Amino acid sequence: GIQVEQSPPDLILQEGANSTLRCNFSDSVNNLQWFHQNPWGQLINLFYIPSGTKQNGRLSATTVATERYSLLYISSSQTTDSGVYFCAVVKWSSGSRLTFGEGTQLTVNP
Amino acid sequence: DTEVTQTPKHLVMGMTNKKSLKCEQHMGHRAMYWYKQKAKKPPELMFVYSYEKLSINESVPSRFSPECPNSSLLNLHLHALQPEDSALYLCASSQDSGSPLHFGNGTRLTVT
Repeated sequence: GIQVEQSPPDLILQEGANSTLRCNFSDSVNNLQWFHQNPWGQLINLFYIPSGTKQNGRLSATTVATERYSLLYISSSQTTDSGVYFCAVVKWSSGSRLTFGEGTQLTVNP
Repeated sequence: DTEVTQTPKHLVMGMTNKKSLKCEQHMGHRAMYWYKQKAKKPPELMFVYSYEKLSINESVPSRFSPECPNSSLLNLHLHALQPEDSALYLCASSQDSGSPLHFGNGTRLTVT
């Protein structure tokens, strides 16, 4: 099956800092999603981005499908950005299963 | 607020109990999912329903029994669980099996 690797595994920032999270995947994919899981366990869909670039407020994401990676940018980080960020991919020929990476644990300190 | 609603939010059950987790969505999505998540790990797929039919069972033990009564509802029936089944159980839905997933807030299950 597809392997999904996220880096870094842990990241600690001061409020106001910018950061880049990376997701590498081992095969071509049909879908890619970024999720944020807050400390209460709620898993929030940030981006659906199989290719290209999207922006939503302070967050943006870029997927370069031909090179099998995606980046999530967080600008002017806030304490509410803390939590785990997951990248997940789907390959339709593998039964449309969403395969998650291990996540990046982000802590934003005031 | 999430558009996928899960109840209950928390559940404590003994190993001889029978309980059910419920999930509801009114977005007209035709695919629904159950995931299990242990602490500090990503969600793991358990079951997928597509157009109200079970399409994927990831070799889940029979003490977990899914049910999809209609296109808006998904249940997970629990019986004779083990303490190691304690986890966050997440329901999700998508327009179809290739579309983005939307997750509920989860049920935090503790088996004693």
